[in-house]
Amino acid sequence: SQQGEEDPQALSIQEGENATMNCSYKTSINNLQWYRQNSGRGLVHLILIRSNEREKHSGRLRVTLDTSKKSSSLLITASRAADTASYFCATEAQGGSEKLVFGKGTKLTVNP
Amino acid sequence: AAGVIQSPRHLIKEKRETATLKCYPIPRHDTVYWYQQGPGQDPQFLISFYEKMQSDKGSIPDRFSAQQFSDYHSELNMSSLELGDSALYFCASKVVGVTYGYTFGSGTRLTVV
Repeated sequence: SQQGEEDPQALSIQEGENATMNCSYKTSINNLQWYRQNSGRGLVHLILIRSNEREKHSGRLRVTLDTSKKSSSLLITASRAADTASYFCATEAQGGSEKLVFGKGTKLTVNP
Repeated sequence: AAGVIQSPRHLIKEKRETATLKCYPIPRHDTVYWYQQGPGQDPQFLISFYEKMQSDKGSIPDRFSAQQFSDYHSELNMSSLELGDSALYFCASKVVGVTYGYTFGSGTRLTVV
């Protein structure tokens, strides 16, 4: 079954507000990654958090990971209209080919 | 910096035709992954290659095949195309065993009519 289920499926906020997206997964992981995708375009890596880390920051991004609950959250602070995109979490499972398994994504709209 | 190159960017085929998608990984990356993303869907893993050998297989139809060549580029061959094959096809490359974000190509948008 699919890992990395995300909520909400869609989120609409005003510029300057914070956006929080959540992701859950089902198996043991090496790491969890967040990607951004503008409409119909390629996937851009945003941030990676390892299984032994609990929180990570990169610019306006903050990621948390709770391995006991098998969940993660992505916070985008002080959002901008240019942040409008779909955001996906993806897990790299332990062992195997290191392939990524993606969640269903959150479509974020930031209104000017 | 070199990125993952995919060609073609767009492809229109008729039902039952064949399509070949190409992926050129970042130099010195030893692994290529292929993903399919249907409209409004999340990317689904198809197949991966490590050092020119298939390393993993996901939900790839039997009508699809792929290989990685001696120069590490990879091709995804799709035969007997169906309307439901219309999707974005991405490849990504990385070095196995090194922990960092994957680099994806810009994708090939396949439309089957």
